[in-house]
Amino acid sequence: AQSVTQLDSQVPVFEEAPVELRCNYSSSVSVYLFWYVQYPNQGLQLLLKYLSGSTLVKGINGFEAEFNKSQTSFHLRKPSVHISDTAEYFCAVFTSGTYKYIFGTGTRLKVLA
Amino acid sequence: GAVVSQHPSRVICKSGTSVKIECRSLDFQATTMFWYRQFPKKSLMLMATSNEGSKATYEQGVEKDKFLINHASLTLSTLTVTSAHPEDSSFYICSARRDTYNEQFFGPGTRLTVL
Repeated sequence: AQSVTQLDSQVPVFEEAPVELRCNYSSSVSVYLFWYVQYPNQGLQLLLKYLSGSTLVKGINGFEAEFNKSQTSFHLRKPSVHISDTAEYFCAVFTSGTYKYIFGTGTRLKVLA
Repeated sequence: GAVVSQHPSRVICKSGTSVKIECRSLDFQATTMFWYRQFPKKSLMLMATSNEGSKATYEQGVEKDKFLINHASLTLSTLTVTSAHPEDSSFYICSARRDTYNEQFFGPGTRLTVL
């Protein structure tokens, strides 16, 4: 069975500081990995995805993530955050066998002025 | 491309009534769609997988007679919450799998409030 762990439920960080949101997954088959952002009372917006190829993936709004197969991780990073990055971030795993997404529990990023 | 819409975006209803939520893939065909439920400050919980032309597959613990799913065409799936009660109040999100693509595309969500 697949699972996704987001170790940090909340991450406070000052504006213009770097941030890393952690995501680890467990799967016995090949997976595709995603990061989504959710602003209050809105749906999910895709930040970036890893399907194949280069393990360093760049997404929107200056975010990037690196797929590390040996550590089964897909951590999300941004070198300098803005107040507008305050939101909930979800890591998700997709397996082609079931076509289902497994979501992590989410990390609330709070950017402080 | 790959846009998914949901209607309505918000709905308030009285306890005991039924509510229908539509999920449409606007510019692609989706053999498979998914319905999620999200509780406040919680992650998304997969409720069911909706397959065009066949019965939906429900996740364990989800009442199929309570949450009726119909996937009548390659671009439309509907979720009907029957005899809604306040505990059914939640944010419902659908997604659609674009055929041959290894990802899902999400709708903007529907906020259901049952009084």
